[in-house]
Amino acid sequence: NAGVTQTPKFQVLKTGQSMTLQCAQDMNHEYMSWYRQDPGMGLRLIHYSVGAGITDQGEVPNGYNVSRSTTEDFPLRLLSAAPSQTSVYFCASRRSGTGGNIQYFGAGTRLSVL
Amino acid sequence: DQQVKQNSPSLSVQEGRISILNCDYTNSMFDYFLWYKKYPAEGPTFLISISSIKDKNEDGRFTVFLNKSAKHLSLHIVPSQPGDSAVYFCAARANNDMRFGAGTRLTVKP
Repeated sequence: NAGVTQTPKFQVLKTGQSMTLQCAQDMNHEYMSWYRQDPGMGLRLIHYSVGAGITDQGEVPNGYNVSRSTTEDFPLRLLSAAPSQTSVYFCASRRSGTGGNIQYFGAGTRLSVL
Repeated sequence: DQQVKQNSPSLSVQEGRISILNCDYTNSMFDYFLWYKKYPAEGPTFLISISSIKDKNEDGRFTVFLNKSAKHLSLHIVPSQPGDSAVYFCAARANNDMRFGAGTRLTVKP
């Protein structure tokens, strides 16, 4: 009964460092996405994927890369971290199509960039 | 541009009374609307949703109303319980794009 699993839960980076936020789901969902949550801004879509090998940009994609080699995993990469990327990151998944409106979220990764 | 707006950052109600959370949107292409509930240190969890072809959906103590002409939806919680205290996000979907509001922090006082 894992659902969507995100690792790590917390991370502190120095400016310029790189890291990968991991996301895995065990519900065989085609659609996966990454959001960031900032105070007063709600959840903003970074990147999404409608299936293995297919990714697309969301609302705030700059500074982030993604890939989708399997249905289960959707990692988010920060190539050169900046203080503006300090945020809480959520991964989500859902089924595709008209029956897949409900997204299931992971518990989040709290990232601080110094 | 914020296509989904929740103009009330916080709301406080007494236990047993009605809680009304509001949400406005600007994109007429949105065809599905959802409310999510979020507790601290957890991810958002789905609460209730409504399709654009309906104007009301009810699930127990929770009812969502949609006014398409006004591009407005609301979540009613009756009766409110202390366990309902959380941040509530309104979300709207158009194809693969799902936009969220900034959230409203609901506090239900015993």
